[in-house]
Amino acid sequence: GAVVSQHPSRVICKSGTSVKIECRSLDFQATTMFWYRQFPKQSLMLMATSNEGSKATYEQGVEKDKFLINHASLTLSTLTVTSAHPEDSSFYICSARELGEKLFFGSGTQLSVL
Amino acid sequence: ILNVEQSPQSLHVQEGDSTNFTCSFPSSNFYALHWYRWETAKSPEALFVMTLNGDEKKKGRISATLNTKEGYSYLYIKGSQPEDSATYLCAFSGSSNTGKLIFGQGTTLQVKP
Repeated sequence: GAVVSQHPSRVICKSGTSVKIECRSLDFQATTMFWYRQFPKQSLMLMATSNEGSKATYEQGVEKDKFLINHASLTLSTLTVTSAHPEDSSFYICSARELGEKLFFGSGTQLSVL
Repeated sequence: ILNVEQSPQSLHVQEGDSTNFTCSFPSSNFYALHWYRWETAKSPEALFVMTLNGDEKKKGRISATLNTKEGYSYLYIKGSQPEDSATYLCAFSGSSNTGKLIFGQGTTLQVKP
C-alpha cells in the first residue's frame, strides 16, 4: 500500500520556539493532505486541509497564524507550530489522499513543549 | 456538531475469542465510513471504506457491516490472535467527500495468548 512518512516522530522543545513537522508521500502524489491533532484520551481532530500550491483550509478554532501549513509539492506538506507553548503539546498526525477514497497516514509526531 | 462514538473504549479477550465493536455516526449527509487499525508507534492502517447501506466487507478474520439508516457499523474479529491487539478507529465522511474525516475515540483491543 501507499506509504506516508512523517518526521520527526517525537520532539521536545522549549516554550516560545517553533517546530516544523514534515509529511511526505513516498510512492504517490498527494494533491491533498490533512493534518490532525490528538489530545490524550480524545479523538483525532482535523486541524486543516492542505492543498498543493494553494493556501490551507483551517477548521474552526484552529489558529492559522500559529499552525503554518505549507504544501509546496505533490509529495510534501509541512506543519510549523510557531511560538509553541505547553498547551500545544499534543500528538500531530498527517494523512494524504491517493486517488479514490483511501487515506494513508503518517506515524505521527508527539510534541512536548516545556 | 457531528459526533462519532465507539464502544467499548477498551476490550481484553483471550486468544481464540471472537469479538466485535460498535461505531455510531450521524445518519444524515453520509458519504463513507472508514475503519482503521492502529498499532502503537505505527501509522493507522486502512481496513475498510464502506459506502452502501447494508454493505458487508471482509479481510481475513476481520469483517464489518454498515447500517447508514440507523447510523452504526460493527467490526467483527473472528478467532482473535495476539497480533490483532491494536486500537481500532472508525471515521465518518460527510457527503462533500472532501476526505475530511470525523473520528471516534477508538476501541483498544488486547488479546492475551
